Amino acid sequence: QVNLLQSGAALVKPGASVKLSCKASGYTFTDYYIHWVKQSHGKSLEWIGYINPNSGYTNYNEKFKSKATLTVDKSTNTAYMELSRLTSEDSATYYCTRWGAAIPFAYWGQGTLVTVSS
Amino acid sequence: EIVLTQSPTTMAASPGEKVTITCRASSSVSYMHWYQQKPGASPKPWIYDTSKLASGVPNRFSGSGSGTSYSLTISSMETEDTATYYCQQWSSNSLTFGSGTKLEIK
Repeated sequence: QVNLLQSGAALVKPGASVKLSCKASGYTFTDYYIHWVKQSHGKSLEWIGYINPNSGYTNYNEKFKSKATLTVDKSTNTAYMELSRLTSEDSATYYCTRWGAAIPFAYWGQGTLVTVSS
Repeated sequence: EIVLTQSPTTMAASPGEKVTITCRASSSVSYMHWYQQKPGASPKPWIYDTSKLASGVPNRFSGSGSGTSYSLTISSMETEDTATYYCQQWSSNSLTFGSGTKLEIK
């Protein structure tokens, strides 16, 4: 069964960076793009972008182009998202997710809560 | 970027009541997808390609629409349907979600 296991909650200081992970299992990692989605507390969902694990090609929401960097490690079936120059606006839960065979965003990680505070 | 506007923002329905949630797009889209999210949980795919039910979704749910106007309908509200519902589209390599509709039971 498909599983996306995300790293644990992070408490980071303003101005710092954080790297979140999403370990995939139960399918061929390179067959599906990994997307990342932000959800601020009590707010809606924002698409950050996706990475093609096979080629490393990325596509970002314009809003997050200077904030997020998506990478993968094919040897460990893990996708990463690094968030830089963190501010309180970056405090949120971040999800990794992927398409199913025909269903958009059929599989989701459990989410990683990032708190930016001094 | 295509903006998706959902209405209402919040609503409460009685058991057995018919519920309709609307999602309007700022430009025409080919399909609309819907997700259900309960507190503390990740979103779940609910309706995809405008009108197809994801696995395990009760058939009291339905989706319809075209162009810039789409809707999710519950024919008869049940307690377990309490959740927040989000619409989502992907076109021109840009993906956006609606602002969400919080549905509660009366």
